[in-house]
Amino acid sequence: DAKTTQPTSMDCAEGRAANLPCNHSTISGNEYVYWYRQIHSQGPQYIIHGLKNNETNEMASLIITEDRKSSTLILPHATLRDTAVYYCIVRVGETSYDKVIFGPGTSLSVIP
Amino acid sequence: KAGVTQTPRYLIKTRGQQVTLSCSPISGHRSVSWYQQTPGQGLQFLFEYFSETQRNKGNFPGRFSGRQFSNSRSEMNVSTLELGDSALYLCASRRRTGDYEQYFGPGTRLTVT
Repeated sequence: DAKTTQPTSMDCAEGRAANLPCNHSTISGNEYVYWYRQIHSQGPQYIIHGLKNNETNEMASLIITEDRKSSTLILPHATLRDTAVYYCIVRVGETSYDKVIFGPGTSLSVIP
Repeated sequence: KAGVTQTPRYLIKTRGQQVTLSCSPISGHRSVSWYQQTPGQGLQFLFEYFSETQRNKGNFPGRFSGRQFSNSRSEMNVSTLELGDSALYLCASRRRTGDYEQYFGPGTRLTVT
């Protein structure tokens, strides 16, 4: 199973871009990178996912390196409501036997 | 449309008791996964159900079990509760196993005393 490593915590000034890195050096060719976040006392919220191309949606952008060993989640204009724990995960297994492995994540604090 | 709902939201039990937690997925979603979240271990996968069949299971003892009904609602049962079972239990749904997007419920906070 591919594992991910993320910094334990990060700070970001309100209105600036938050760049959250993730290493997944053992990722295999058919595994996707997903990002979720969890605001205190709520369930995790899906943000974005990708295979090898960069992706963008209304919440964030995902940049995946060419060798796919690492990725960066970018929140272009962080707000106080973006303060949360951000999880970078890889999808493991065959289609019928998926399970998702969450690491400890990065605790992002957006500072006014 | 309504999100994933879990009941109850909070529960207090004593050691040795058993507990049943309930999860209603988003309408049209047939896959339901369960997770345990604790401060020390983070978010750990328990099991996933699709079409009333368990499709995968994490590394938890047999005291943890689940089932899924024909309407896709799922229940999780923990027997002979231990203090270490105190955690936030999260349920997540998706249209089918293998779907990229998974939607989590608010969780059930279980406290074992």
